[in-house]
Amino acid sequence: QKEVEQDPGPLSVPEGAIVSLNCTYSNSAFQYFMWYRQYSRKGPELLMYTYSSGNKEDGRFTAQVDKSSKYISLFIRDSQPSDSATYLCAMRGVNNNDMRFGAGTRLTVKP
Amino acid sequence: NAGVTQTPKFQVLKTGQSMTLQCAQDMNHNSMYWYRQDPGMGLRLIYYSASEGTTDKGEVPNGYNVSRLNKREFSLRLESAAPSQTSVYFCASTFDRGRGVAKNIQYFGAGTRLSVL
Repeated sequence: QKEVEQDPGPLSVPEGAIVSLNCTYSNSAFQYFMWYRQYSRKGPELLMYTYSSGNKEDGRFTAQVDKSSKYISLFIRDSQPSDSATYLCAMRGVNNNDMRFGAGTRLTVKP
Repeated sequence: NAGVTQTPKFQVLKTGQSMTLQCAQDMNHNSMYWYRQDPGMGLRLIYYSASEGTTDKGEVPNGYNVSRLNKREFSLRLESAAPSQTSVYFCASTFDRGRGVAKNIQYFGAGTRLSVL
C-alpha cells in the first residue's frame, strides 16, 4: 500500500464549477501538507500548504486537513480553464527529505 | 530570475550508456533534490543534498550517483542506463533552515525527459 493515495482522475468540469481534490495517507508522522500544481511539460509549483489539521484559504483555493481521518482536500471555487493542470498532494514530517507525493489528479476545466 | 534550471530538456539513451543531468539554482538555497516522476507513482526522491559537500540517499537511489559541485549546482549521473530509468527527472531546491513558510517551499525545474531504449 502506498503511503499517499490520490485518485488520478482524469476529472473534467465546466467553467465555474467547484472542484474537490482529495488524498488519503497512512503515516501519522506527517505534519506538513501541501498541494502542488503542475502544468503540462512543466515542473510542479507550490499552491497551498497547511501545518497540522485545519483549513487554509487563498483566493479561490481552500486546503483542508483532517489528521484524525488522515485525509486532505483541495477545493477550487469558480474554476477557470487556466486551472487545467495536474494537482499533486504532498506531505512530510519534520524533514524536507521525507516528502511523499501523491500520483496527481489531472483536472480539465472546460469553457 | 531563472530559479531552477535543468539541462538537457530531453535525452534518448541506449541501454548501458552513461549521462549526467545538470541542475543549477540561483536562489541561494542550501538544499537540493533529485526526483523522478513516473505515471501512477508520483514524485519519488532519488538523492538530496542538505548543503554543499553533503549528499544522502532518498527513496530510490539505486543506479544513480550525485555530486553537489557547489552551492548552486547538483548533478545526477546514470553510469549504465537501464530501460527502468526511463522517466521524467526533476531537480528542486529549498531554503531549509530556520522556521517559517520558506522551509516548506520546494522550487522545481522544468524537468528532463529521459528515454532509455
